[in-house]
Amino acid sequence: EAGVTQFPSHSVIEKGQTVTLRCDPISGHDNLYWYRRVMGKEIKFLLHFVKESKQDESGMPNNRFLAERTGGTYSTLKVQPAELEDSGVYFCASSQGAPGIAFFGQGTRLTVV
Amino acid sequence: GQNIDQPTEMTATEGAIVQINCTYQTSGFNGLFWYQQHAGEAPTFLSYNVLDGLEEKGRFSSFLSRSKGYSYLLLKELQMKDSASYLCAVSRYSSASKIIFGSGTRLSIRP
Repeated sequence: EAGVTQFPSHSVIEKGQTVTLRCDPISGHDNLYWYRRVMGKEIKFLLHFVKESKQDESGMPNNRFLAERTGGTYSTLKVQPAELEDSGVYFCASSQGAPGIAFFGQGTRLTVV
Repeated sequence: GQNIDQPTEMTATEGAIVQINCTYQTSGFNGLFWYQQHAGEAPTFLSYNVLDGLEEKGRFSSFLSRSKGYSYLLLKELQMKDSASYLCAVSRYSSASKIIFGSGTRLSIRP
């Protein structure tokens, strides 16, 4: 069974550009989460989807970040325009039960220069 | 607010036992998780404690004391592949979907 997959694995963009990260959860998992780890800091929650609905987006840093999950399958996280402080590793996770018992993807390492 | 503390780094010897401690301060505590993360890889779920006591799963055990805001992860018969970061994380009743992570403990195993 395929795990959580994220694309791209790495992205280097210039400040002001737009980047879209994609996450494919484990098939059948209704819950999908986005997390971010900024250099030297702990992993921080961004938002939670249940199917196609945003259950909790309290961790989204600002309105430059937009997450979607059309059709309740894969999800995208768009950063527009990207700033230097957006650099970090963006993790996606999915679960069918308790949110902490989630399967994480390998992450997308975003570098804004 | 919430605060999770765990040691930044630990070193242990192959075949030995190591205990990684985690203390937390959070209102509306729901449950505590431990994750393992090898460098450059995805965090992998290890354990989930809701009630006080010890949960054993093979070489790994996790303990929780809700009254003391304290947990530990116990790793027995250490193997070189256990070298990784171990992340303590908590959830709250008020926002059960949001998992709050500690900074992690980087464990190095020496032969």
